[in-house]
Amino acid sequence: GNSVTQMEGPVTLSEEAFLTINCTYTATGYPSLFWYVQYPGEGLQLLLKATKADDKGSNKGFEATYRKETTSFHLEKGSVQVSDSAVYFCALDSSYKLIFGSGTRLLVRP
Amino acid sequence: ETGVTQSPTHLIKTRGQQVTLRCSSQSGHNTVSWYQQALGQGPQFIFQYYREEENGRGNFPPRFSGLQFPNYSSELNVNALELDDSALYLCASSLKKDEQFFGPGTRLTVL
Repeated sequence: GNSVTQMEGPVTLSEEAFLTINCTYTATGYPSLFWYVQYPGEGLQLLLKATKADDKGSNKGFEATYRKETTSFHLEKGSVQVSDSAVYFCALDSSYKLIFGSGTRLLVRP
Repeated sequence: ETGVTQSPTHLIKTRGQQVTLRCSSQSGHNTVSWYQQALGQGPQFIFQYYREEENGRGNFPPRFSGLQFPNYSSELNVNALELDDSALYLCASSLKKDEQFFGPGTRLTVL
């Protein structure tokens, strides 16, 4: 069945460092791919999405490119801020539902 | 435009009890999905309702049931609570297969 695998955290970075969080997927066909962010004590917020191969989703300095050949959707940001500290979830759209990875906690230190 | 709201925010129950969680969908949305997020895990799909009918179900036992009302708000009911039911329950609304918008969740603790 369809699934999403994320790198395990926590990822600890200093402010202004470069961020990569790896995400790979297994799916039938070409599902839409998403990154969601969850701040402490809150629900999920959509960060960015891509709906077809080679699409690049971007928002708030974060980017991810839908790579069909490597079945990946890695999240990147050039310069992280303390306020980016949160848990990040990669997800795919499987018909009527979202399938999520297990999440990667990011901690950014001043 | 009002976003997705959920109630209550927190809930404590004992094993064997029953619980009802509520979700108000975003204005104009006709689809509600429920997810269970155990501590340290990603959300797991429970079921989805579209126009008051169940539209799909994940790998959860029948003691997890739901309803959707004519105004598209929804309830999640869990009977015979078990310790492993302790989790954050997330509701998401959407317009059929469009982007899902999540509420803040209900934190359920089963003792």
